[in-house]
Amino acid sequence: DIVMTQSPASLAVSLGERATINCKSSQSVLYSSNNKNYLAWYQQKPGQPPKLLIYWASTRESGVPDRFSGSGSGTDFTLTISSLQAEDVAVYFCQQYHSTPDTFGQGTKLEIK
Amino acid sequence: EVQLVQSGAEVKKPGESLKISCEGSGFRFTNYWIVWVRQMPGKGLEWMGFIYAGGSDTKYSPSLQGQVTFSVDKSISTAYLQWRSLKASDSAMYYCARAFDTSATYIDYWGQGTLVTVSS
Repeated sequence: DIVMTQSPASLAVSLGERATINCKSSQSVLYSSNNKNYLAWYQQKPGQPPKLLIYWASTRESGVPDRFSGSGSGTDFTLTISSLQAEDVAVYFCQQYHSTPDTFGQGTKLEIK
Repeated sequence: EVQLVQSGAEVKKPGESLKISCEGSGFRFTNYWIVWVRQMPGKGLEWMGFIYAGGSDTKYSPSLQGQVTFSVDKSISTAYLQWRSLKASDSAMYYCARAFDTSATYIDYWGQGTLVTVSS
């Protein structure tokens, strides 16, 4: 199984500041045949199901604010929120879908400082 | 509008059986893989596996193989997750979700979740 490791486990950022969450996979999730990274990011607010933010490591899902961006390739990935808003308080998960089981990271809890 | 509507919360005793459901609407149900994800209280997301709604092909997480069963009733666009004998450790929120497609199984839509509590 591919192990996904997120850091930090929790993060407190001031409103309007940048938040950065890291995700590392135990093996590459890049398919050389199509040069795509099989990596997604989700946001989960309390009492709600997760919501897709980013897929293919850097493609924003329709309707997701452009302050959210994803980057990285191979085994190292980053989710960046450029200017934190109050509504961004949530737990964020990365997931690889390169090979089953499609494993998730353990989550990063984002709070307001 | 794509929707996945799950059955209501369940309270069961250890050793009992259970089948929870997930009804899809707003899309061609049989063209998609339906994913099941477990979230234990206060914990992260665990991919349990998926089932192809159009043909019943299944893939289970090795950690859960044999402990649960996925099924589908295409005639009513509904997927099911079933246990034969529940344990206290099965207490969790269970989400059904839709995988984008066969070659890119990230999850684009989620159900609201079904809370399962197993307690004597």
